[in-house]
Amino acid sequence: EPEVTQTPSHQVTQMGQEVILRCVPISNHLYFYWYRQILGQKVEFLVSFYNNEISEKSEIFDDQFSVERPDGSNFTLKIRSTKLEDSAMYFCASTSGGAEIGELFFGEGSRLTVL
Amino acid sequence: AQTVTQSQPEMSVQEAETVTLSCTYDTSESDYYLFWYKQPPSRQMILVIRQEAYKQQNATENRFSVNFQKAAKSFSLKISDSQLGDAAMYFCAYITGSARQLTFGSGTQLTVLP
Repeated sequence: EPEVTQTPSHQVTQMGQEVILRCVPISNHLYFYWYRQILGQKVEFLVSFYNNEISEKSEIFDDQFSVERPDGSNFTLKIRSTKLEDSAMYFCASTSGGAEIGELFFGEGSRLTVL
Repeated sequence: AQTVTQSQPEMSVQEAETVTLSCTYDTSESDYYLFWYKQPPSRQMILVIRQEAYKQQNATENRFSVNFQKAAKSFSLKISDSQLGDAAMYFCAYITGSARQLTFGSGTQLTVLP
C-alpha cells in the first residue's frame, strides 16, 4: 500500500543551524502539508502546498520556514535558523484532493531536537 | 476561529469493553467534515472514521462509530469491544468544504487494560 515516507526520523541540531526535512508523498497526490507536534501538545498546521506553490500557511510558518518541491517526488521543509522552540515532531501529509476530502495520509514524522 | 476541543486528555478502558471519547468543535461554516485520527506509538497518524456534516446518519466503521450531534457541535467516538491494539492517541479533527487543511484537537490518550 502506498505511503508517505519521511527522512530523517530524528535529527539533532544546534540552535541557529539550518535543517531540511524531507518527505516523499504518495505519487498521485496533489496536495501536500506539513504539520508539527510539540511534545505533549496538539498537532498544528504549518503549510499546505498545491500546484507548486503555497496555498495556505499558519502564523507559525514565518520567514524562517520554506517549502519546496524540487522534483516530481520530494517535498521538503527547510528551517533556516533553528530555535529551541522548533523542537517538535514534524509530519508530512498528502491527499489526492478528490472525493475523500480531509483524508490525509501522514508520514511517520521527523523528530527535530534543537540544542 | 475554528477550534476543536477534546476535554479528556487520558482515558482507559478494559479490554472488550466500550469507551467513548468526546469532541466538540466550533465553526460558522455549514459545509465541513469531521474525523477521528489514531496515532499509535509508531507515530503515524491514520484515519479511523469520517463524517460529513450534511449527513444525519452517524458513521460506522466496524467497532468504531460516532455520535454526531450537529446542533450541539459534538462529535464523539465510540469504540466497542476494545482491543489492546486500540491503545493510541486519538485526535478529533475537522476540515471545511472550502479549506484543505485539518484543524486538530489536543488529543486523548487511550489506554486499554488487559
